[in-house]
Amino acid sequence: GDSVTQMEGPVTLSEEAFLTINCTYTATGYPSLFWYVQYPGEGLQLLLKATKADDKGSNKGFEATYRKETTSFHLEKGSVQVSDSAVYFCALVISNFGNEKLTFGTGTRLTIIP
Amino acid sequence: DAGVTQSPTHLIKTRGQQVTLRCSPKSGHDTVSWYQQALGQGPQFIFQYYEEEERQRGNFPDRFSGHQFPNYSSELNVNALLLGDSALYLCASTLVIGGTDTQYFGPGTRLTVL
Repeated sequence: GDSVTQMEGPVTLSEEAFLTINCTYTATGYPSLFWYVQYPGEGLQLLLKATKADDKGSNKGFEATYRKETTSFHLEKGSVQVSDSAVYFCALVISNFGNEKLTFGTGTRLTIIP
Repeated sequence: DAGVTQSPTHLIKTRGQQVTLRCSPKSGHDTVSWYQQALGQGPQFIFQYYEEEERQRGNFPDRFSGHQFPNYSSELNVNALLLGDSALYLCASTLVIGGTDTQYFGPGTRLTVL
């Protein structure tokens, strides 16, 4: 079945450090890939997405590139802020007209220290 | 533009009881999915409703059931509650026809079973 493997956490960085959170996937079809963020006590917010190979999703300084050859979708940010502290989830969906079941990774908790 | 809303925010029940959670999708969306997020885990797909019918189901027992109304809102019912049902229950909505495969999440309902 489809699955997502995320970098184990927690991750602790100093403010303005470079961030990478690794994500790889296994899928039977051609997935769309997502990063969602969850702030303490809240639901999931869509951070960015990519729908086909070599697409780059970006938002709020975060970027991720859909790499079909390595089945990866690593999340990066050049300079993190304290406000980026949250749990980050990588997810995929196989779009098949009405078959939009999201499969999530286990999440990576990120803490940014001032 | 109203986002996905869920009620109640928090709920405490005892083992064996029944619970109903409610979700209103994002304006213009016609499909609702429910996910269970246990503490420290990624969300797990429960089921999805479209045109008032359950279209897809994850690996959850029949104690979990749902309903979608003509206005696209949805309910999640859980019978004979177990301690292990304690989790954050997330609702997500999307638009199937003419839409994308992006799901937008509500803030969740935190269910505690004692």
